[in-house]
Amino acid sequence: GENVEQHPSTLSVQEGDSAVIKCTYSDSASNYFPWYKQELGKRPQLIIDIRSNVGEKKDQRIAVTLNKTAKHFSLHITETQPEDSAVYFCAAIRMDSSYKLIFGSGTRLLVRP
Amino acid sequence: SAVISQKPSRDICQRGTSLTIQCQVDSQVTMMFWYRQQPGQSLTLIATANQGSEATYESGFVIDKFPISRPNLTFSTLTVSNMSPEDSSIYLCSVDATGSSGYTFGSGTRLTVV
Repeated sequence: GENVEQHPSTLSVQEGDSAVIKCTYSDSASNYFPWYKQELGKRPQLIIDIRSNVGEKKDQRIAVTLNKTAKHFSLHITETQPEDSAVYFCAAIRMDSSYKLIFGSGTRLLVRP
Repeated sequence: SAVISQKPSRDICQRGTSLTIQCQVDSQVTMMFWYRQQPGQSLTLIATANQGSEATYESGFVIDKFPISRPNLTFSTLTVSNMSPEDSSIYLCSVDATGSSGYTFGSGTRLTVV
């Protein structure tokens, strides 16, 4: 089955700096890769996603890149703000088969004011 | 995206007892998923629940411990049976109502077993 690895486990950046979180996946048939943000005591919220037929997607300060050959994808947050502090999870899924969302281990991002 | 109502939001239970968690979705969905999130950890898939068939469980999870019902396309329950302190966790349901992307989560049930 699918296995998703995520790095780093914790990330501390100065406000205004960029943050990058990286994930690798094992199943080459996975074709959809969402990123979730989870604030303390709350449910995971989808912040951006990318499909396997796209190499990059951007939404304001957030971008995701995908390298299918290497089976890795990354989340990029620019101009970080204190409210970006949260736990971020990557995930992978086969939308044409199992439809099971498999999560990475999470990255705790701290943005220092 | 779909709106999921999950309850209870939290409970404290005695070991050896069972708790049933409910998820109600505001639209019909084919698949519902149940996850466990242990303190400070990631989300682990327990099972996939399809209407009209038995749930499919992931490795490490069994039906006797986590029986699931899916009586219709908008509702599902997960029961945590014969609980022990190791079952203390947050349990979440999830659906993909769009059929394409954007899995949505319920608000979670924080279970403490004493």
